[in-house]
Amino acid sequence: QKEVEQNSGPLSVPEGAIASLNCTYSDRVSQSFFWYRQYSGKSPELIMSIYSNGDKEDGRFTAQLNKASQYVSLLIRDSQPSDSATYLCAVNPLDSSYKLIFGSGTRLLVRP
Amino acid sequence: DTAVSQTPKYLVTQMGNDKSIKCEQNLGHDTMYWYKQDSKKFLKIMFSYNNKELIINETVPNRFSPKSPDKAHLNLHINSLELGDSAVYFCASTQGGGVTEAFFGQGTRLTVV
Repeated sequence: QKEVEQNSGPLSVPEGAIASLNCTYSDRVSQSFFWYRQYSGKSPELIMSIYSNGDKEDGRFTAQLNKASQYVSLLIRDSQPSDSATYLCAVNPLDSSYKLIFGSGTRLLVRP
Repeated sequence: DTAVSQTPKYLVTQMGNDKSIKCEQNLGHDTMYWYKQDSKKFLKIMFSYNNKELIINETVPNRFSPKSPDKAHLNLHINSLELGDSAVYFCASTQGGGVTEAFFGQGTRLTVV
């Protein structure tokens, strides 16, 4: 069983809409969760981190964590074509903080 | 000034050859990593080093040998390359482990023919 799971997509939304990306994780993982964005042919870059239950907002991005249901989500408001990328969910496992376990990523396509 | 830099960016080589990828970070971080991203974009940890000491070796074949001469450098040497080694290899660094933001290098696309 994979430890971090994401729908591979593509998730297609019109410009200006809200994009909702979801990630579920197994109970082995820790309480540190991250969303990375990766443009095609580029390296991952961190856009959000979240450590406790609830919502965390940063500009157009909101991360939501629900530990009871073991999922973390990312909402992108007012989606722009420049948001088109693959979004990677990552967690620190309980047995070591010296690695990230990534999901396979969700490809987001924002249509102009 | 690039925070985490890898060389080379592209590497095409024949099966059986030995090759190296170099990584350097100028962020002052104490932990460095090698990740492998396969054709399906799945990013998987290979090694992590903290203060030049190997912390994680994630069941990687012995043909892969990392070396950290100092905290700012982590190199990856691969012996007897196989077709299945074709992937993008990313170096990354953090301060104090994975609970903080990881900064990634631009990646090295390795193609074994």
